[in-house]
Amino acid sequence: AQSVTQLGSHVSVSEGALVLLRCNYSSSVPPYLFWYVQYPNQGLQLLLKYTSAATLVKGINGFEAEFKKSETSFHLTKPSAHMSDAAEYFCAALSNFGNEKLTFGTGTRLTIIP
Amino acid sequence: DTGVSQNPRHKITKRGQNVTFRCDPISEHNRLYWYRQTLGQGPEFLTYFQNEAQLEKSRLLSDRFSAERPKGSFSTLEIQRTEQGDSAMYLCASSMGLAADTQYFGPGTRLTVL
Repeated sequence: AQSVTQLGSHVSVSEGALVLLRCNYSSSVPPYLFWYVQYPNQGLQLLLKYTSAATLVKGINGFEAEFKKSETSFHLTKPSAHMSDAAEYFCAALSNFGNEKLTFGTGTRLTIIP
Repeated sequence: DTGVSQNPRHKITKRGQNVTFRCDPISEHNRLYWYRQTLGQGPEFLTYFQNEAQLEKSRLLSDRFSAERPKGSFSTLEIQRTEQGDSAMYLCASSMGLAADTQYFGPGTRLTVL
């Protein structure tokens, strides 16, 4: 079965510093991959997705992620953190065999230090 | 595009009572999904619909849970004889139904079972 692992349930970075949130998937066939952000008391908002086109995917709010098949990874980065980036981030995978359910990681809570 | 809406946003009930949640998807979306999110975890898939047909149900969806989408538009999720373990955020999402299509999430219904 597909699984998604997010290393680090809590990450703190200073405002203006690099943000790196880690995500690894377990699948012999690369799935479709997604990063979602969840602000308090809100639903999930899509940041970006990988669908086997370009391996470097750019998303909203200055975020990007790079798909690395050899490492089974899809880490999320942002060059310069902003206070408004404080939220919970979820990595998710969707099998490309027609199974329509997203499998989510356990999430990473990002705190920005002023 | 008014987004996915869910009602109620919060529900507090006593153990043993029945509850029903409603989800209104984005109007042109023919796929509708239900997920459950407990504290500190990522969302877990419950079930999904293609128009009015329920195509997949998770093992998490016990006999006390039932979901419907009678006219292929809004959906309801009912929990009978609620238990304290049912306390969670119930998320609804919708999509166009194309391969690797983005699932757009609603704000969720937070259920507390006393």
